Amino acid sequence: GAGVSQSPSNKVTEKGKDVELRCDPISGHTALYWYRQSLGQGLEFLIYFQGNSAPDKSGLPSDRFSAERTGGSVSTLTIQRTQQEDSAVYLCASRPDSYEQYFGPGTRLTVT
Amino acid sequence: AQSVTQLDSQVPVFEEAPVELRCNYSSSVSVYLFWYVQYPNQGLQLLLKYLSGSTLVESINGFEAEFNKSQTSFHLRKPSVHISDTAEYFCAVMDTGRRALTFGSGTRLQVQP
Repeated sequence: GAGVSQSPSNKVTEKGKDVELRCDPISGHTALYWYRQSLGQGLEFLIYFQGNSAPDKSGLPSDRFSAERTGGSVSTLTIQRTQQEDSAVYLCASRPDSYEQYFGPGTRLTVT
Repeated sequence: AQSVTQLDSQVPVFEEAPVELRCNYSSSVSVYLFWYVQYPNQGLQLLLKYLSGSTLVESINGFEAEFNKSQTSFHLRKPSVHISDTAEYFCAVMDTGRRALTFGSGTRLQVQP
């Protein structure tokens, strides 16, 4: 079956612009996660959605970052007023009612 | 708070040699432990996991890891590596609440002919 998909695969943006990154989880998976992979910080948890519950935003690095999950499926991560330190690969993962997370291929964001 | 330490950032090894990638964790509660692999230009794939039961867990491609509670370790081993095992390997611990992963910094395994 289809895995987790993310779009775009690559995004180059100018400093100060807003960007939206999209994640399509595996159908039926109730949990969705965003992580960030960067050279300086490694792999970091950003935000977690579980069903219709309020998201756990404890990993978001600043208030420029936000995310939503519509209809319990597709999720969008938005970064406002991008900075160069936001350059990273943004990974999305989904999870059924178990312990294994399935990762998407990631979106490579470059802020110039 | 949980944390994961992977002491070796790079491990070069010759083909068919054994390898061990080290992982130590800290956690105040029961843990679930994972190894993920990231091949060049690909996403993260689950290699193996420890949730409970037998402390020795194996993957389908010959890797194994042993959960050692007293040493808070979950080292990854393979008795004979292949060129195709060249990748970055991440150890991770999962919190039991939200089931989010805390990753180590990764170990790049470079298998040479």
